[in-house]
Amino acid sequence: GQQLNQSPQSMFIQEGEDVSMNCTSSSIFNTWLWYKQDPGEGPVLLIALYKAGELTSNGRLTAQFGITRKDSFLNISASIPSDVGIYFCAGRTGTASKLTFGTGTRLQVTL
Amino acid sequence: NAGVTQTPKFQVLKTGQSMTLQCAQDMNHEYMSWYRQDPGMGLRLIHYSVGAGITDQGEVPNGYNVSRSTTEDFPLRLLSAAPSQTSVYFCASSFRTVNTGELFFGEGSRLTVL
Repeated sequence: GQQLNQSPQSMFIQEGEDVSMNCTSSSIFNTWLWYKQDPGEGPVLLIALYKAGELTSNGRLTAQFGITRKDSFLNISASIPSDVGIYFCAGRTGTASKLTFGTGTRLQVTL
Repeated sequence: NAGVTQTPKFQVLKTGQSMTLQCAQDMNHEYMSWYRQDPGMGLRLIHYSVGAGITDQGEVPNGYNVSRSTTEDFPLRLLSAAPSQTSVYFCASSFRTVNTGELFFGEGSRLTVL
């Protein structure tokens, strides 16, 4: 089955640093979403993107829908300890609710 | 509001045993799904349902059964557990008609098969 490739797999950064991660696919998606999973919890939606080229922000988070519709990027500015967790990208084709998830990026923030 | 509720949170099984993971949502969502999460593999779709009485296979359906007799409940059954089914299982739901793609997840059920 299809999976989305995320990179990097894991990141260790210091508090205050900016973070960038990306997600690539061999197929086109018409919606890209970014989720965050806190330890011991289920994923929670951070940002949703609906148009190629779209740039959307949510506080310190900024995500972009790649113009090829095969990739997406997530940036976190001025990281803080509560940013720790696993970040997943997810893609959707058509209007179905079924999502394909990426392999995840594990973020660790040191003080 | 309870949202998506999964039980049990933890379970240990022996190879060959059967069990059911329960999932209930109180948001009147038409769409419900089960994912498994494994290290380095992300979340993979097992089965999903677009409404009561309708189910379909996802990416990794082998070894699992589902049914959807009500809008609220979507149980996942393991008929004969295998060590390869050791994983964390997530149930997720959403409105089918609201075109945001947002899924609401439960807190997960951690299953170990010995």
